[in-house]
Amino acid sequence: KAGVTQTPRYLIKTRGQQVTLSCSPISGHRSVSWYQQTPGQGLQFLFEYFSETQRNKGNFPGRFSGRQFSNSRSEMNVSTLELGDSALYLCASSLAGGARGNTIYFGEGSWLTVV
Amino acid sequence: AQSVTQPDIHITVSEGASLELRCNYSYGATPYLFWYVQSPGQGLQLLLKYFSGDTLVQGIKGFEAEFKRSQSSFNLRKPSVHWSDAAEYFCAGALKGDNYGQNFVFGPGTRLSVLP
Repeated sequence: KAGVTQTPRYLIKTRGQQVTLSCSPISGHRSVSWYQQTPGQGLQFLFEYFSETQRNKGNFPGRFSGRQFSNSRSEMNVSTLELGDSALYLCASSLAGGARGNTIYFGEGSWLTVV
Repeated sequence: AQSVTQPDIHITVSEGASLELRCNYSYGATPYLFWYVQSPGQGLQLLLKYFSGDTLVQGIKGFEAEFKRSQSSFNLRKPSVHWSDAAEYFCAGALKGDNYGQNFVFGPGTRLSVLP
């Protein structure tokens, strides 16, 4: 069974640009969450999607957005990139979300560097 | 507010020595509890999880964790550490219930270094 797949793995962007990251969850999983990981802030929750609907959102500015498609694949977008957006962005999938005790499986992440 | 704390930022142990990583949680009720490991440049891998029942949970790679309600703790242990165990370890909690809006709360992580 394939795991959570994130693309691209590494990318470099310039301040002011926008970026789109993609996540393919484990087959059958309908919940997809996104996290930002930085050395200073640790793992911070961005948002969660379930059946194409955003169910929960963390404390990030509106420049961070996401969506989920009917096949459960998800994308997140960051517009007007800032240097502080440099981070590892992790996607995680589960059957229905952590609240039901479903295990959350993580992808290997997308490393974003903003210069 | 729900929180998960890991009091130790960095721990160094010698190869072959025993290991205990601490995790404390603060929730209104007993949450689901998880331990993840992250090797440099990699995503998070699930080591073990506690939902209910037996308070001693066995995981992969020889790890185990014990849930102690009285201490609000879920400490991770391993009897003999291998050099390949050097990594960052994260404890996480998720509140039980039907509220699909809840999500994982991660602790800040503990970095484990292993001396040869």
